[in-house]
Parts: sequence; structure tokens; C-alpha cells
Amino acid sequence: EAQVTQNPRYLITVTGKKLTVTCSQNMNHEYMSWYRQDPGLGLRQIYYSMNVEVTDKGDVPEGYKVSRKEKRNFPLILESPSPNQTSLYFCASSWTGDEKLFFGSGTQLSVL
Amino acid sequence: KQEVTQIPAALSVPEGENLVLNCSFTDSAIYNLQWFRQDPGKGLTSLLLIQSSQREQTSGRLNASLDKSSGRSTLYIAASQPGDSATYLCAVSAGYSTLTFGKGTMLLVSP
Repeated sequence: EAQVTQNPRYLITVTGKKLTVTCSQNMNHEYMSWYRQDPGLGLRQIYYSMNVEVTDKGDVPEGYKVSRKEKRNFPLILESPSPNQTSLYFCASSWTGDEKLFFGSGTQLSVL
Repeated sequence: KQEVTQIPAALSVPEGENLVLNCSFTDSAIYNLQWFRQDPGKGLTSLLLIQSSQREQTSGRLNASLDKSSGRSTLYIAASQPGDSATYLCAVSAGYSTLTFGKGTMLLVSP
């Protein structure tokens, strides 16, 4: 089954404790992206990747890092999480970034 | 900067009604437009994608239209069902993977 898999589904952590949210897709897509969704603000793009070793900033990249060492994986790294990064995070993929976008089920992150 | 607005923010209808969700965007230089469905606690599912050269796309009871010159798109849902209850989002792409989302319309279809 074609899918985008994110882990963990829920995460509670404390300020400053480094964490990684994993994202994997099995569709051989070149494009992958991370979004955060906040009430009243909608979905905002954090980072995206057009292919292996190619990443670029979205609208709200501050406080986040990404890497794309393999085509299927695109982890999101928060090196020093802060409470304002409490949010619902989504990973997505598509062939080139301008076609049908496939989303993961989301990661609800709470930073205390 | 592209801005996407969806009206209404919430909509409640009885089962069986035909309904229209609206999406407007400020910059008509778009590559394509997608309509998504989001169920509570879940990810987004792409429903329809309309290329800038197209006027509409249909999938089952769903029909999406695009008027690029006026910066508008509509999602028409025929014979609504309780299972259609979800939040519907539209997103416009200017190409080069720049996707801008609206904040969504929360739809409730009551039996």
C-alpha cells in the first residue's frame, strides 16, 4: 500500500531535549516536505526536499533541521525544542512537488 | 505573497443537500490547485487536483472548478452524506513546490 509513515504519533517532551520525528514514504517520490498545523494559522511549510541531499527552507524553518540522505526518508529534527513548537506536524510527499500530495497521519508534539 | 481564503469557515447541512465550498486566492499566477479532506486526528487526503489550464475536475460526487482569472475555486459536493463530515482545505501551487493552504471549511452533515 502506498503510504507516508510518520513516527511517533504522539510525543511529549521538555524544553531543550533534542528530538527527531521520522518520515518514510514507499512511493519512490522525489519531493518530501514538512508542515506544521496550528489553530487559526492553518498549515505552514517548514522545510522541503526536491531530492536526495537537496533541502530548502519553507515559511517557518527557524528551530528545525532536516536531512535527506535517502530518497525514502526525511526526518525532522528539533535540536532544542521550545513550547512554541508545540503543534501538529505532517510529512508529505509527491513526485515532483507539483502533483498530488500524500500526507502522513501526523505527529502531535507537546513541548513543556 | 499568495493568500488563500476559504469561506465559510464552518458549514452544517442536513444529509442529502448539495453544497458548495469556496476558495479564493490573491495571485492568479498559479500552477495548480488541490482540494484536500482532513478527518479529525488524521492526515490530509488529496481529493482533486486541477491544473491551471483546466476548468474543472470530477471524482464521484465531487466536482471542483477553477477560475484562475478571478482567483476562485469551488468544490461542489452532491447529495451530501454524514461520511462527508470533515474539514476541507484548498491549496494553490505557484510551481517550484510552493504550496499555500487555506485554513479550511469544517463541514458537518447531519443524518
